Amino acid sequence: RKEVEQDPGPFNVPEGATVAFNCTYSNSASQSFFWYRQDCRKEPKLLMSVYSSGNEDGRFTAQLNRASQYISLLIRDSKLSDSATYLCVVNPGGSGGYNKLIFGAGTRLAVHP
Amino acid sequence: DAGVIQSPRHEVTEMGQEVTLRCKLISGHNSLFWYRQTMMRGLELLIYFNNNVPIDDSGMPEDRFSAKMPNASFSTLKIQPSEPRDSAVYFCASKITGTGQPQHFGDGTRLSIL
Repeated sequence: RKEVEQDPGPFNVPEGATVAFNCTYSNSASQSFFWYRQDCRKEPKLLMSVYSSGNEDGRFTAQLNRASQYISLLIRDSKLSDSATYLCVVNPGGSGGYNKLIFGAGTRLAVHP
Repeated sequence: DAGVIQSPRHEVTEMGQEVTLRCKLISGHNSLFWYRQTMMRGLELLIYFNNNVPIDDSGMPEDRFSAKMPNASFSTLKIQPSEPRDSAVYFCASKITGTGQPQHFGDGTRLSIL
């Protein structure tokens, strides 16, 4: 089983749609969580951290369910510029692992007019 | 503030040649990560350092790959000899030590081995 699993997509949605991505992680001791965004031929960029109580940044909402080892990202009112690959990222914690991040393979989103 | 700086942005060379990729960390960051990304294998962690010390190099594909941190702000990734299957985008990322801290990536080096 992969440490971080995501639906690869692609998700093809019209502008204005609401879309949700899910991610599961295997290590129950994981300590911190992030969503990154990667545009074609560009580097991954931090979109938002994911906090235990859930958090929102404009049109983006992230949720964490530690019991189910599940993270989600909700995008409301999708824009063409949201088209990208969204990477679920987990810090596994533990001795020697406290500092590195495990990246999921990413979910591709295509927003069309 | 300047982000992570990688050089060169693009490199095209013939197989068998030595390739050196360079990375400058964000000022104040003390952890450094080298990744490789291809369509087939996605983003792979090659090696990471904390305070100039290599912590985990289990992702380095073979002895042809080596990485160093000669000082706190700079790192190199060397491939010698290079092979066509090494063609990929190589990213460097840095962060402040700590579980809640995100990584910040450089623009990457697009490497093509002919």
